[in-house]
Amino acid sequence: DGGITQSPKYLFRKEGQNVTLSCEQNLNHDAMYWYRQDPGQGLRLIYYSQIVNDFQKGDIAEGYSVSREKKESFPLTVTSAQKNPTAFYLCASSALRGGTGNTIYFGEGSWLTVV
Amino acid sequence: AQKVTQAQTEISVVEKEDVTLDCVYETRDTTYYLFWYKQPPSGELVFLIRRNSFDEQNEISGRYSWNFQKSTSSFNFTITASQVVDSAVYFCALSEAGATNKLIFGTGTLLAVQP
Repeated sequence: DGGITQSPKYLFRKEGQNVTLSCEQNLNHDAMYWYRQDPGQGLRLIYYSQIVNDFQKGDIAEGYSVSREKKESFPLTVTSAQKNPTAFYLCASSALRGGTGNTIYFGEGSWLTVV
Repeated sequence: AQKVTQAQTEISVVEKEDVTLDCVYETRDTTYYLFWYKQPPSGELVFLIRRNSFDEQNEISGRYSWNFQKSTSSFNFTITASQVVDSAVYFCALSEAGATNKLIFGTGTLLAVQP
């Protein structure tokens, strides 16, 4: 089946630890994104990548890092520098035909809780 | 600055009622794209519709319909004869102009359809 796979679905992190959320897509999309969702709020962009080995900061990149070594993979690391990491994280991807306005498709999300 | 406002935080209806979810956007761009997504309790965002700024025709898809009015900067979503399975959080989003293909989300409307 084509789609976006995120793992793990639930993750618990101790304070001071780094954790990595996995995101894989088999839609052959060029662009990939990470969004954060807090209760009662909309989604906010953390990082995005339009091509392998290149990525850009979104609106709330502090305390996060990403890599894009393969077209189909875009892992997100939540570092110990992120002061309030407990949230729902959504990975997404899209084609880049014509630059803007392409539909962005989302994975099922990962819940991260700091304990 | 671009912004999406969903003033209705929560709506509760009884099954078979019609319901309209409001979305108001702000942008200085003449070319832009608007989206609606559904987020069921499972968490993933499901794409519903994409509309570009040059196409003001209303769209109907089964029980769903969308009313796009540039004059009032609104892109409202109506569900006819609501069903319990329609219960979810619905997000309206705006795509920035330019090559980044980023989405700006509203804060979402929680729709509860009671049997």
